[in-house]
Amino acid sequence: ETGVTQSPTHLIKTRGQQVTLRCSSQSGHNTVSWYQQALGQGPQFIFQYYREEENGRGNFPPRFSGLQFPNYSSELNVNALELDDSALYLCASSALPAVHYNEQFFGPGTRLTVL
Amino acid sequence: AQTVTQSQPEMSVQEAETVTLSCTYDTSENNYYLFWYKQPPSRQMILVIRQEAYKQQNATENRFSVNFQKAAKSFSLKISDSQLGDTAMYFCAFMKLIAGGTSYGKLTFGQGTILTVHP
Repeated sequence: ETGVTQSPTHLIKTRGQQVTLRCSSQSGHNTVSWYQQALGQGPQFIFQYYREEENGRGNFPPRFSGLQFPNYSSELNVNALELDDSALYLCASSALPAVHYNEQFFGPGTRLTVL
Repeated sequence: AQTVTQSQPEMSVQEAETVTLSCTYDTSENNYYLFWYKQPPSRQMILVIRQEAYKQQNATENRFSVNFQKAAKSFSLKISDSQLGDTAMYFCAFMKLIAGGTSYGKLTFGQGTILTVHP
């Protein structure tokens, strides 16, 4: 069984650029959630994708967008990067439909630095 | 909206001793789940323990146990017989009950507590 993988591991961009982060879900999972974890803070929910559509969104501006592909992998795109976007970006895979809650399994994260 | 608060930024404990990490939360929901996640220095977040709010019995997983006080909205984690491998950032997290089978479940995390286990 393959766990959740993310690429790249590290990324450095400059302010105003665009970035794409990738996530492969765990075998048997069809749902991907993205979280932003600023240094020394807890992760914050960005959005979740299920059946290739956004299935819930946190308090993030529209320049944060995503995609999910038929194989359930997902991309997080951030346009017009700002310095505050520097963070660890985590994806978590899970399975829906679920009874009561969907247990989320996390990837190792992508460390994004915006200069 | 839910909030989760961890008031201990850092904790330390000697190997083989017991340590308790605190967490409080605020919600108007009656049905929800609470979690403790561990994030070692390698960064991959791992689920330590889960508590269903409708269960009065405190969850236990080997050396890890919780003290869930629903009325007080408190959810602490006790680690017994601490090991060097327990050194990590620990996050308390909240998820409200999924009303429908495909409605999204998002985790709301606290700020985390860095736990260091000393030999």
